[in-house]
Amino acid sequence: KQEVTQIPAALSVPEGENLVLNCSFTDSAIYNLQWFRQDPGKGLTSLLLIQSSQREQTSGRLNASLDKSSGRSTLYIAASQPGDSATYLCAVSPTDSWGKLQFGAGTQVVVTP
Amino acid sequence: DTEVTQTPKHLVMGMTNKKSLKCEQHMGHRAMYWYKQKAKKPPELMFVYSYEKLSINESVPSRFSPECPNSSLLNLHLHALQPEDSALYLCASNAPGQANGDTQYFGPGTRLTVL
Repeated sequence: KQEVTQIPAALSVPEGENLVLNCSFTDSAIYNLQWFRQDPGKGLTSLLLIQSSQREQTSGRLNASLDKSSGRSTLYIAASQPGDSATYLCAVSPTDSWGKLQFGAGTQVVVTP
Repeated sequence: DTEVTQTPKHLVMGMTNKKSLKCEQHMGHRAMYWYKQKAKKPPELMFVYSYEKLSINESVPSRFSPECPNSSLLNLHLHALQPEDSALYLCASNAPGQANGDTQYFGPGTRLTVL
């Protein structure tokens, strides 16, 4: 059974520091991995999607890497801002069930001014 | 437009009530999803509709009944719910088989409270 883990569960950094968020998964038979952001009581916003054949994806200050063989992905957020405060979730889509996302528990990020 | 809309935003219902949640997207997506999210937990998949047909049911109790009347609409009918069903219900959609179609777009959710 696929298990997705995110460490740390919570993170607080001063504004301007780079954020590093980790996601690990136990079964490398994935179709893709997605990173989402969720503000309290709100829906999820897709940040980046990495296909299993890719090593990384970039969008603005965000960069996500994927090492499928070791079951790891890392989300880097450069020069953090207070507006980056949110919960960040990673999710994998297994190869035997496209679209069926298996989520990690998330990392709650606070960026202090 | 990458918007998924959900109504109502909030819903309070008794255990004997019947109510429905509605989800709508106009992105031409042919896969739509219902998730349930409890506080401080990640979303859990409930149902997947692909081309208006139910393709995944994650062993959800029959008091939850999904319906996909057309390619843009997804409903979740609720009947005889329990207090432990109180949660944020999220709808999502994506486009199977299309370039960049894997990304799931989520709605803002319906906050359901069962008394």
